[in-house]
Amino acid sequence: QQQVKQSPQSLIVQKGGISIINCAYENTAFDYFPWYQQFPGKGPALLIAIRPDVSEKKEGRFTISFNKSAKQFSLHIMDSQPGDSATYFCAARNSNAGGTSYGKLTFGQGTILTVHP
Amino acid sequence: DVKVTQSSRYLVKRTGEKVFLECVQDMDHENMFWYRQDPGLGLRLIYFSYDVKMKEKGDIPEGYSVSREKKERFSLILESASTNQTSMYLCASSFGDRNTEAFFGQGTRLTVV
Repeated sequence: QQQVKQSPQSLIVQKGGISIINCAYENTAFDYFPWYQQFPGKGPALLIAIRPDVSEKKEGRFTISFNKSAKQFSLHIMDSQPGDSATYFCAARNSNAGGTSYGKLTFGQGTILTVHP
Repeated sequence: DVKVTQSSRYLVKRTGEKVFLECVQDMDHENMFWYRQDPGLGLRLIYFSYDVKMKEKGDIPEGYSVSREKKERFSLILESASTNQTSMYLCASSFGDRNTEAFFGQGTRLTVV
């Protein structure tokens, strides 16, 4: 059962455009929603994260929008650059899970972003 | 800088071989994780460990086992490798605090022939 669904699988954007990646989740106990960026040959690295007490978080050109009632969140990359070309993963975690499960991240399927110059 | 190091970038093994993937972290993290990454499926959790000698199954533990004898080292073991275990394997670690991020290694691309 895929608890976090991510779309699209791939995305091509022109330099300077806006890239938008969407995720939807099922488990209402999730309370931490990070986005990871992965370049070819590298492991994923944390890009930006949000908690459900806010509807938006912005860091530079990257913005997370969060809709708690719809159980959806999205990543917006403004002024997309060729250097942003990478695979992006959304994820979710229940930080209050019982036992030792609180550290577990559930990932979406990933989006391959290509930004053309 | 946090460093999570996986011992091999690329491995080619034969069907039926016993395979060890090693991961070392240098930040004294309590939690360590093994994920498998496949196109269109994202990252799926195989096993995780929250303390030395402690382990818990993730979402896809079948065909795998793990070992954590020291805090900094977490090993993934394929007892008898099969072709459907050809994949990218990612190790990660984090502090035991509930609000910390996970740091990933660079990955090991395993091919079973």
